Amino acid sequence: EAGVTQFPSHSVIEKGQTVTLRCDPISGHDNLYWYRRVMGKEIKFLLHFVKESKQDESGMPNNRFLAERTGGTYSTLKVQPAELEDSGVYFCASSPSNYGYTFGSGTRLTVV
Amino acid sequence: AQSVTQPDIHITVSEGASLELRCNYSYGATPYLFWYVQSPGQGLQLLLKYFSGDTLVQGIKGFEAEFKRSQSSFNLRKPSVHWSDAAEYFCAVGYAYSGAGSYQLTFGKGTKLSVIP
Repeated sequence: EAGVTQFPSHSVIEKGQTVTLRCDPISGHDNLYWYRRVMGKEIKFLLHFVKESKQDESGMPNNRFLAERTGGTYSTLKVQPAELEDSGVYFCASSPSNYGYTFGSGTRLTVV
Repeated sequence: AQSVTQPDIHITVSEGASLELRCNYSYGATPYLFWYVQSPGQGLQLLLKYFSGDTLVQGIKGFEAEFKRSQSSFNLRKPSVHWSDAAEYFCAVGYAYSGAGSYQLTFGKGTKLSVIP
């Protein structure tokens, strides 16, 4: 079984540019989550999809962040325009309906 | 709101020594508790989890953790550390808010483990 795939693994962009992160969950997993770890801080929840619907987006920092999940399959997280404080590692995770999360390897975003 | 405290930012142990990583949580109901490990360049890997039942939980790679409700703790232990255990360890509490299997994780700040050969 393939795991949760995230790409790119690293991204370096200039302040003001746009970046799109992608997450491919494990096939058949209805739940998809995004988390973020800013340098020196805790890993924090961003949002949760159930299939293509946003179940909870209370952790999204501001309206520069837009998440979508096309057809209940892969998800994208767009940051537009990127700011310096957006730098960090963005993790995606998926789970079926039996309480098990599987995380991807993360995307390290650096905004310069 | 739930919170997780990992009081040790960095721990160094000798290979073969025992290990205990501390985790305390604050949560109003019965928590779902987790330990994750992140090795350099890797994603977060689940070591073990507690939902209910036996308070001593066995995980992968020889790790175990004990849930102590009276102390709000979920400490991770390993009797003999291997050099490959050097990594960052995260304790997390899960907050279930809707539907079966849907929960949001609150993480501690992590503990970096270094292993001396």
